Amino acid sequence: NAGVTQTPKFHILKTGQSMTLQCAQDMNHGYMSWYRQDPGMGLRLIYYSAAAGTTDKEVPNGYNVSRLNTEDFPLRLVSAAPSQTSVYLCASSDPEKRRAKVPTEAFFGQGTRLTVV
Amino acid sequence: EDQVTQSPEALRLQEGESSSLNCSYTVSGLRGLFWYRQDPGKGPEFLFTLYSAGEEKEKERLKATLTKKESFLHITAPKPEDSATYLCAVHPGGGTSYGKLTFGQGTILTVHP
Repeated sequence: NAGVTQTPKFHILKTGQSMTLQCAQDMNHGYMSWYRQDPGMGLRLIYYSAAAGTTDKEVPNGYNVSRLNTEDFPLRLVSAAPSQTSVYLCASSDPEKRRAKVPTEAFFGQGTRLTVV
Repeated sequence: EDQVTQSPEALRLQEGESSSLNCSYTVSGLRGLFWYRQDPGKGPEFLFTLYSAGEEKEKERLKATLTKKESFLHITAPKPEDSATYLCAVHPGGGTSYGKLTFGQGTILTVHP
């Protein structure tokens, strides 16, 4: 069972270039999220999807996502800026306990370390 | 706005020296508090979920507790392999927020042999 898989693990991007970070999960989880992690700031939610076909933006501009199916949740940097240098973490969680309003734990990928120069 | 503050930012212990990590939170209608462990270069790994004040959970040398304002992660007789960053996250109330976590900045734990 692979869990949450992110590719690539590392990448260097030039300012103004675009790039897509890949995220796939094989647990049939409905909820998927993207976080960025910066030193001393913990994880910050960027984008969120409750199900295939739906997305919810948490931070303004610079990022875009699509959720065409349950398994994949790619994150696109439209025109990269140095401020987007970070570790990007993808997570998924199972909504089956939603009826009881009991949140379940999120499973994370290993992350993509992105540097924008 | 939901807020999570972890302390200390860094903690150095000798092997066998027990201690506690703190997670203070401000959230409207807490539905769950999560503890994660993160090793360098890896994604966070789930440890515990706490749902209500007074709840406690244990796993090996770790014990998590929850009050209405904070959570503690107690580490008993730690070993060098417990060295990692420990992250606390809260899940707020409200149906539209389901699945969205607010994280603290983490505590970097180093256990020396």
